[in-house]
Amino acid sequence: GAVVSQHPSWVICKSGTSVKIECRSLDFQATTMFWYRQFPKQSLMLMATSNEGSKATYEQGVEKDKFLINHASLTLSTLTVTSAHPEDSSFYICSARDLRVQSQYFGPGTRLTVL
Amino acid sequence: ILNVEQSPQSLHVQEGDSTNFTCSFPSSNFYALHWYRWETAKSPEALFVMTLNGDEKKKGRISATLNTKEGYSYLYIKGSQPEDSATYLCAFMSGNTDKLIFGTGTRLQVFP
Repeated sequence: GAVVSQHPSWVICKSGTSVKIECRSLDFQATTMFWYRQFPKQSLMLMATSNEGSKATYEQGVEKDKFLINHASLTLSTLTVTSAHPEDSSFYICSARDLRVQSQYFGPGTRLTVL
Repeated sequence: ILNVEQSPQSLHVQEGDSTNFTCSFPSSNFYALHWYRWETAKSPEALFVMTLNGDEKKKGRISATLNTKEGYSYLYIKGSQPEDSATYLCAFMSGNTDKLIFGTGTRLQVFP
């Protein structure tokens, strides 16, 4: 099956710093990638839809200035958590849509802990 | 607000037992229902994409059924094995979007 990588797997940072998470589709091109967040004992919640070459579409309640998304190529989308605070600590996971099979393939996720 | 619910939340079974769990989703404006298998520290793995009412899909010992009119899908595992231990997620996709709305998952533990 298609492979999506995500980097880093986990990150610990100080409050106020920015953290960048990368999502790559390794063996297919993805015009659309999705960013999700999961808090403990909750479901994966869609944060934003990232479209190659255009601005991301954010879900209601997600601050676009806080969570910057860049989808500069057909295989790479990045999520930058700016001025991170402890409440941003969560599990962030991306997926990439493969148009050939109409499926979304997920990365392994990034555990972010903000001290 | 679209709501997707899965039950039970967790399940412990003995090796060889067969098991099933449920995903409930909105019955209106249905487009597709996805099932994923998610092992700890790995990426969620796509199991099935179901689109037609009455659809049944099978992959080895795992199968799924779909009822779009009443808004539910069942996932069955026949003869569970320890390697089936994972969280099983379902996700609903409505007709006018490509967004997935996830349930909270069913965590399956199979004991040898």
